[in-house]
Amino acid sequence: GAVVSQHPSWVICKSGTSVKIECRSLDFQATTMFWYRQFPKQSLMLMATSNEGSKATYEQGVEKDKFLINHASLTLSTLTVTSAHPEDSSFYICSAPKDRANTGELFFGEGSRLTVL
Amino acid sequence: GNSVTQMEGPVTLSEEAFLTINCTYTATGYPSLFWYVQYPGEGLQLLLKATKADDKGSNKGFEATYRKETTSFHLEKGSVQVSDSAVYFCAPLAGSYQLTFGKGTKLSVIP
Repeated sequence: GAVVSQHPSWVICKSGTSVKIECRSLDFQATTMFWYRQFPKQSLMLMATSNEGSKATYEQGVEKDKFLINHASLTLSTLTVTSAHPEDSSFYICSAPKDRANTGELFFGEGSRLTVL
Repeated sequence: GNSVTQMEGPVTLSEEAFLTINCTYTATGYPSLFWYVQYPGEGLQLLLKATKADDKGSNKGFEATYRKETTSFHLEKGSVQVSDSAVYFCAPLAGSYQLTFGKGTKLSVIP
């Protein structure tokens, strides 16, 4: 079964509203989680690294005020898309390392498809 | 930074056909190499990995060999099944412990 769960799996919202996506690790603790964005027929683009108890690390070109990340506990990270616009419509995916050493083995959530009208 | 060039899909094969999905990468040093697979409606999951040159990763009949001289990590399977239909991602692990994903190759296996 899934070890990382995302919710919601899909969401439709109006332009200007904010949307929160949750990423939970099931039965294990994740001090680090990764958030990606995936466009159709494109690779996964790493947006940010979420760190429990500290600020997220954002990749170059990703607006931290637009994409708010909160890693409130060892099993939950949230991504909030603030004042969403149609260009924010995308597939958002989270992942967590299998182990603290982050050897590259990641558990992925099922993804959340956001459509902004 | 790291980059990955992956065979463009979609790839359509008949059941029991031989599969090769090419992957080449650029990276500093000698990264660990991974193939992830995304089945329809599911999240990505690790398929196989290799951590050093000449290592062969294998799982579920799939294999990939870490070729340092050609900076490649091609995915192969001798006889594909319908259940192998999925999107396959090649990914080296950067020194900063972040995976760089290829664009993915969609495989469709028809009976």
